[in-house]
Amino acid sequence: KAGVTQTPRYLIKTRGQQVTLSCSPISGHRSVSWYQQTPGQGLQFLFEYFSETQRNKGNFPGRFSGRQFSNSRSEMNVSTLELGDSALYLCASSGRGGDEETQYFGPGTRLLVL
Amino acid sequence: DAKTTQPPSMDCAEGRAANLPCNHSTISGNEYVYWYRQIHSQGPQYIIHGLKNNETNEMASLIITEDRKSSTLILPHATLRDTAVYYCIVRAYSGGYQKVTFGTGTKLQVIP
Repeated sequence: KAGVTQTPRYLIKTRGQQVTLSCSPISGHRSVSWYQQTPGQGLQFLFEYFSETQRNKGNFPGRFSGRQFSNSRSEMNVSTLELGDSALYLCASSGRGGDEETQYFGPGTRLLVL
Repeated sequence: DAKTTQPPSMDCAEGRAANLPCNHSTISGNEYVYWYRQIHSQGPQYIIHGLKNNETNEMASLIITEDRKSSTLILPHATLRDTAVYYCIVRAYSGGYQKVTFGTGTKLQVIP
């Protein structure tokens, strides 16, 4: 079974631009969660989508948004990029998103904001 | 959300057991303890999880104290490929939403 895939793997943007990252979950998984990882803050939860609905959201500004499509693929968007948005963005999928469901992570998208 | 604390780094000799501790003293009854590891900034890899009982799989064992305030991940025979950052994670559902809290991680260095 194919794992979680994320595109693109690497991205360079400048301040003020916006960016869209894509995540394809494991086939059959319906829950997709997004995380931001930086050296200073570690892994931080952004939001989770289940059946095209945002089910939970971490403590990030409104510039960070996401959506999920009917095939469970998910995108996250960051508008008006800031230097501090440079990070590894990870997505993880699970079957139903229950508390005993294991999340499987993708390889991440490394974003550099100049 | 329950927070977790882990030592920032540990060394382990190759072939020996690696015991990685995690403190989650504020864990609530419906929260599971998960362990992941991350190698060279790749995506975190799932290792094991548990609620109350000790668990074992092909990769590791998880020992959870009776009061559930701490746990230990055991890699029985560490290899060089086990060098990674290990994260202890507490996850729960509350009100239909998934709460996720990541620990600080322990950088495990397996020494030849």
